Amino acid sequence: GAVVSQHPSRVICKSGTSVKIECRSLDFQATTMFWYRQFPKQSLMLMATSNEGSKATYEQGVEKDKFLINHASLTLSTLTVTSAHPEDSSFYICSATLGKHNQPQHFGDGTRLSIL
Amino acid sequence: ELKVEQNPLFLSMQEGKNYTIYCNYSTTSDRLYWYRQDPGKSLESLFVLLSNGAVKQEGRLMASLDTKARLSTLHITAAVHDLSATYFCASNTGNQFYFGTGTSLTVIP
Repeated sequence: GAVVSQHPSRVICKSGTSVKIECRSLDFQATTMFWYRQFPKQSLMLMATSNEGSKATYEQGVEKDKFLINHASLTLSTLTVTSAHPEDSSFYICSATLGKHNQPQHFGDGTRLSIL
Repeated sequence: ELKVEQNPLFLSMQEGKNYTIYCNYSTTSDRLYWYRQDPGKSLESLFVLLSNGAVKQEGRLMASLDTKARLSTLHITAAVHDLSATYFCASNTGNQFYFGTGTSLTVIP
């Protein structure tokens, strides 16, 4: 159980385009979803915490107008990288929890984004 | 903000040897998580340690938690090549998770 599906797994696109990444909890209702980015050989950096039906909470230094997060239902959160540039190239990973405190996170397979 | 520090950052060891990875965290959280990440892949949950003194073992990996020392260890016994990966520990306050820097492990035949 507790499967999180992330789509797409790989995206290559030109600079200036917007890219949407989906994160779905397949067999449970995820009150809270998290979005991370990971640069090569580095740890995960939390970008934002997303709660169903409310605005996402962004970490310091993460531009909310650049990284749009929508959590419209208990099983789906989306991250849209707007007007992407080469420096946005990274590995983006979502995770989901049931929302109760101290519940383990279940991770999606990640999306490798490359902006040319 | 909770700080989670791991050491070593890089580890190269021969098959059959033992080694321990250390994870120090800075708050009073009493839960600690260990994950494995293979190149180009997402995170795979290894252990969830829920209380002081917790010890869990799976195959050649054993994790322990000392909440008083704010220290968790991941011990590798008789390493094999398949264990080559990056290992992350993470601690949390509420639903907010903080990851360690990661330990990149290479097991040499």
